[in-house]
Amino acid sequence: DAKTTQPPSMDCAEGRAANLPCNHSTISGNEYVYWYRQIHSQGPQYIIHGLKNNETNEMASLIITEDRKSSTLILPHATLRDTAVYYCIVRVQGAQKLVFGQGTRLTINP
Amino acid sequence: DTEVTQTPKHLVMGMTNKKSLKCEQHMGHRAMYWYKQKAKKPPELMFVYSYEKLSINESVPSRFSPECPNSSLLNLHLHALQPEDSALYLCASMELLKTTSGELFFGEGSRLTVL
Repeated sequence: DAKTTQPPSMDCAEGRAANLPCNHSTISGNEYVYWYRQIHSQGPQYIIHGLKNNETNEMASLIITEDRKSSTLILPHATLRDTAVYYCIVRVQGAQKLVFGQGTRLTINP
Repeated sequence: DTEVTQTPKHLVMGMTNKKSLKCEQHMGHRAMYWYKQKAKKPPELMFVYSYEKLSINESVPSRFSPECPNSSLLNLHLHALQPEDSALYLCASMELLKTTSGELFFGEGSRLTVL
């Protein structure tokens, strides 16, 4: 699996958009970008994934650059409950192995 | 039902004890996982079962012994653990059909303390 690089921490004001970057310059053509988050003392939760097109669901939007070497997870209107560690993972869709990197600790401030 | 249920939520054991962690899912998923997570660190993959057979073992010490009695259940048997094995143990499941997203569903974890 390709390696990802994320900033260790970020802050965002409540109600604003939170934009979490991820670099994955060695991503292969058949690897997807997945995002999970882990709220304190809970299990990780799937957020969204994509291959090359931008994706949106009820939780977030995923913007992948044209060269696929980086992506941004967008939480459009962050709330205090969005405070969590966010993990960006690249992997072949459906591959059994899923390895977490260090993630970004996002703090939403009132 | 999109839940992965783990029991117990908390476990304290001595280094000579034998205990087990249990995980159950009723989503029909055919892959099940054990992860270990130390404080302020990401989850580390330990084992993966695919169709009730062990498919991935990430060089985990033999004092951790996984078991998959059927497609809904996953156990982690613990014996002769060390204090440094204290951690949050997470179970997850995933559908193996090629048409699915490959999303893993995680339980809330079992917090283990080894004295």
